[in-house]
Amino acid sequence: EVQLVESGEGLVQPGSSMKLSCVASGFTFSNYGMNWIRQAPKKGLEWIALIYYDSSSKYYADSVKGRFTISRDNSKNTLYLEMNSLRSEDTAMYYCAKGYGVMDAWGQGASVTVSS
Amino acid sequence: DIQMTQSPSVLSASVGDRVTLNCKASQNINKYLNWYQQKLGEAPKLLIYNTNNLQTGIPSRFSGSGSGTDYTLTISSLQPEDVATYFCFQHNSWPGTFGGGTKLELK
Repeated sequence: EVQLVESGEGLVQPGSSMKLSCVASGFTFSNYGMNWIRQAPKKGLEWIALIYYDSSSKYYADSVKGRFTISRDNSKNTLYLEMNSLRSEDTAMYYCAKGYGVMDAWGQGASVTVSS
Repeated sequence: DIQMTQSPSVLSASVGDRVTLNCKASQNINKYLNWYQQKLGEAPKLLIYNTNNLQTGIPSRFSGSGSGTDYTLTISSLQPEDVATYFCFQHNSWPGTFGGGTKLELK
């Protein structure tokens, strides 16, 4: 069974940094592209980042480009999202999802609140 | 970036109804269109990928169609467990983009 488990959630102040992790199991992690998607409270879904299976390419939404960095460690079956210069509008549930284009498995989400 | 527009934003229907949800792209997305279902308090779930391919384990009452800029998700006979918000997502070009969602309610 495919499982994705996010961690690192919490409350941070504007301007600070935070790093989310997503541990994968039940599939060959190193064969798949991985994504981060977020959902602000009571809002829709926003795709924010993609990393290829081998980290050779990364893509970002304009809203996070230059502030967020997606990375992965295939030896640990783990996906990361490093978030810098956090703003109140980054407050959201953050989901990791498996797949390039077709995101066919999602984690349960990690809640990030940016507030003073 | 490609903009995705879903309509209607809210849809009320009765059990057994045939329901159609729409998604329009700001440019041709070459059928690289997925549909996701999100129930209250849960993570989204993939229903349909690349316009008309039913994800494993999804009931056959769900189907997708479309081409170019216009795409449709159809539920042939609405069931109570289908109450959810539905999102389309294009992956023809990056950044990928979601539609704003259609909230499906029971009448």
